[in-house]
Amino acid sequence: QQPVQSPQAVILREGEDAVINCSSSKALYSVHWYRQKHGEAPVFLMILLKGGEQKGHEKISASFNEKKQQSSLYLTASQLSYSGTYFCGTASSGTYKYIFGTGTRLKVLA
Amino acid sequence: EAEVAQSPRYKITEKSQAVAFWCDPISGHATLYWYRQILGQGPELLVQFQDESVVDDSQLPKDRFSAERLKGVDSTLKIQPAELGDSAMYLCASSLSGLSSYEQYFGPGTRLTVT
Repeated sequence: QQPVQSPQAVILREGEDAVINCSSSKALYSVHWYRQKHGEAPVFLMILLKGGEQKGHEKISASFNEKKQQSSLYLTASQLSYSGTYFCGTASSGTYKYIFGTGTRLKVLA
Repeated sequence: EAEVAQSPRYKITEKSQAVAFWCDPISGHATLYWYRQILGQGPELLVQFQDESVVDDSQLPKDRFSAERLKGVDSTLKIQPAELGDSAMYLCASSLSGLSSYEQYFGPGTRLTVT
């Protein structure tokens, strides 16, 4: 039931782009994206509601494909500060039950 | 900027002892969440409150865990008795509403070590 994220881990050089995917087996009402640095609490990045919208936040944007029950997080021109573990959090349609994904570890090298 | 407060930040306890964690959400946030996070994994929802009412506690091990939010503001999560497998980070989060349309703000967490 836990949303599956891919890739599990990725290493980038500064300035490179990355895409992180989140796939659920259930119909979704909303998808949240968070970044968590080691030893710290997750920090909210953005929320997408059903409707297939795409949102942007500085050089980080995301899309939500309601029909495929998938969301993707796009990191462009990555910076050292982007390093951390990225989690999607999903709320199922109807129940609104909230579950975090499996996580993607991202490391940006200078 | 308003923040979610949690205490203690770190707790070491022996197995079979009781332990309690406290959370004070951002003022005005009706929804409060308690999560457990094992190193390397995503947060697992233990209990969700809407004001003082429990909305979801399906993943809460009720034989040893309890949670309350008596006045709909701050909340306490208790474990009695603690087991070795309870060692984890316990995170509290709050949001304006529980309809998953609003972002969750997380507190710094309580790192529990059971020996």
